[in-house]
Amino acid sequence: GAVVSQHPSRVICKSGTSVKIECRSLDFQATTMFWYRQFPKQSLMLMATSNEGSKATYEQGVEKDKFLINHASLTLSTLTVTSAHPEDSSFYICSARNGTNYGYTFGSGTRLTVV
Amino acid sequence: GQSLEQPSEVTAVEGAIVQINCTYQTSGFYGLSWYQQHDGGAPTFLSYNALDGLEETGRFSSFLSRSDSYGYLLLQELQMKDSASYFCAVRGAPSFQKLVFGTGTRLLVSP
Repeated sequence: GAVVSQHPSRVICKSGTSVKIECRSLDFQATTMFWYRQFPKQSLMLMATSNEGSKATYEQGVEKDKFLINHASLTLSTLTVTSAHPEDSSFYICSARNGTNYGYTFGSGTRLTVV
Repeated sequence: GQSLEQPSEVTAVEGAIVQINCTYQTSGFYGLSWYQQHDGGAPTFLSYNALDGLEETGRFSSFLSRSDSYGYLLLQELQMKDSASYFCAVRGAPSFQKLVFGTGTRLLVSP
């Protein structure tokens, strides 16, 4: 089945630094990927839609300059959290449509801790 | 926009049956999905309803009433491993490509 590989699974960074998270579709082409953020005991909140070869579409309230998204190929999308602060500490998850009417495949998630 | 409301928490005992409700408001509708998420893990797909009625997949069933903007997930023969968070989700406007999740329900199954 469709697999999305997400790395790293955990990362700890210092406040003010940047962190890059990668998502790769392993056995299918993903022209569109989605990035979510999830705080403890809360729902998944969509941050942005990543489109191959074009600019990402950000949800209302998400800072474009802080969360940089690049989707340079049909199998790779990256999310860079720039100038990270402790309040950016969260669980970040990517997903992609897998070709079925209802199917979305999720990456395994990245636990970001900013200290 | 879209909004999907779920009860925040449900508790049950092993072997019981539990129903998790979801009421939604959405402009345009392309079906209701259900996902399970264990702590620290990724959401996994459980069920999907495009039309009214009941869909059964093993111990899990899902129901949809489009006229009531309502659906539920039914879990039977509960097991300890079913303790997790459950989310309903719809495809969101304007493109209906993105998946929008409900508020989520934490299910705690006790012995």
